[in-house]
Amino acid sequence: SYVLTQPPSVSVAPGQTARITCGGNNIGYKSVHWYQQEPGQAPVLVVYDDTDRPSGIPERFSGSNSGNTATLTISRVEAGDEADYYCQVWHDGSGLLFGGGTKLTVL
Amino acid sequence: QVQLQESGPGLVKPSETLSLTCSVSGYSLSSNYYWGWVRQPPGRGLEWIGSMFHRGHSHYNPSLKSRVTISLDTSQNEFSLNLTSVTAADTAVYHCVRWRYSGYGPFDNWGQGTLVTVSP
Repeated sequence: SYVLTQPPSVSVAPGQTARITCGGNNIGYKSVHWYQQEPGQAPVLVVYDDTDRPSGIPERFSGSNSGNTATLTISRVEAGDEADYYCQVWHDGSGLLFGGGTKLTVL
Repeated sequence: QVQLQESGPGLVKPSETLSLTCSVSGYSLSSNYYWGWVRQPPGRGLEWIGSMFHRGHSHYNPSLKSRVTISLDTSQNEFSLNLTSVTAADTAVYHCVRWRYSGYGPFDNWGQGTLVTVSP
């Protein structure tokens, strides 16, 4: 089975850059999507197809994907970015998979 | 604007069947999207349950496939989830979702979620 590995937590000071990774075997060949989930809320799509942003998502959110690692980058982090972040892919035989999630803390 | 809204019992007894419905507004189920369910146990991560297309094609999480049925009612523009033989491990917030199947895309619309507790 295919496994997506995310760090449980990432901490960053306001105004700095946060990078949240999602590791998987040859994930660079897959389309990776990222979701933000605030406490008690439904997840919100913030990056799709590795690098695209839905309308309404700030340009501070960007994505990349190569080799065995996909990365969600949040520039100029704000207190309101504090949330859980999940990566997601499709894998033949397993279907739709999520990473374990990363809690972003803004110091 | 697409809106999804879950409904159904908040409490189900062990060994019984969990049944939820998702009402969709602002978009037709008879479109080029799959419709399905994602759940999240309290304090834990997201787990995809399954997704279905209006022409009958479906995909299910292999770990749940034997217990899951998803069905679409295009006349009512709603779809449903049945999960049989539930245990405490099925206690979770259940979200209905729209999935862009093309290019194995994202879940681009989510319902707010409904908590289902499995308890005697």
